[in-house]
Amino acid sequence: QSALTQPASVSGSPGQSITISCTVTSSDVGTYNLVSWYQQHPGKAPTLIIYQGGERPSGVSNRFSGSRSGNTASLTISGLQAEDEAVYHCCSFGGSETYGMWVFGGGTKLTVL
Amino acid sequence: QVQLVESGGGVVQPGRSLRLSCAASGFTFSNYAMHWVRQAPGKGLEWVAVISYDANTKNYMDSVKGRFTISRDNSKNTLYLQMKSLTREDTAVYYCANWNDVGAFDIWGQGTMLTVSS
Repeated sequence: QSALTQPASVSGSPGQSITISCTVTSSDVGTYNLVSWYQQHPGKAPTLIIYQGGERPSGVSNRFSGSRSGNTASLTISGLQAEDEAVYHCCSFGGSETYGMWVFGGGTKLTVL
Repeated sequence: QVQLVESGGGVVQPGRSLRLSCAASGFTFSNYAMHWVRQAPGKGLEWVAVISYDANTKNYMDSVKGRFTISRDNSKNTLYLQMKSLTREDTAVYYCANWNDVGAFDIWGQGTMLTVSS
């Protein structure tokens, strides 16, 4: 059972906004500020879209944004486009050591209707 | 061109061993901690192991401790994952990824598939 809980699926129409949540369910996930989000298209490797909870790497569309409230991190995609249809994974660092352990959420399948 | 290229996957019988490799290029491999992350068919990502930039520190997910060994050769810009006593539950695509300065996996390989089956 993952220490990060995500909804299995979300959907939205082109142009709409959606939000995917990622809730910490374990006290082992210590440095929760290091939440990152990854997009994965079918048959492809994941790609980084958000780091440190809300920062975007260069080249990532500003339609992607991240935030955090309490034990829940969120990824919001605005102005949905067909190409956004993918699985989105959240990730955080857990444990107290510098090289503790990392945990991923179960992934959320985004369907663009 | 920044890239990671995994190799070594295949079909192995339960109980056997296998070594995966990950060749890095286009960045200073020896500066970064490196990870293995796996994804079972139809499932989410699962962190497997980490090795520090200098190979002095390693850590593993509980279910592979004692069976998997992560290592690296900075002179060859290559990361390894030695796996033994493989079980069907180890069947997955295995990705290598670096852990960058801002705390995220920003370079991923294309993955190599391991199937454990008799």
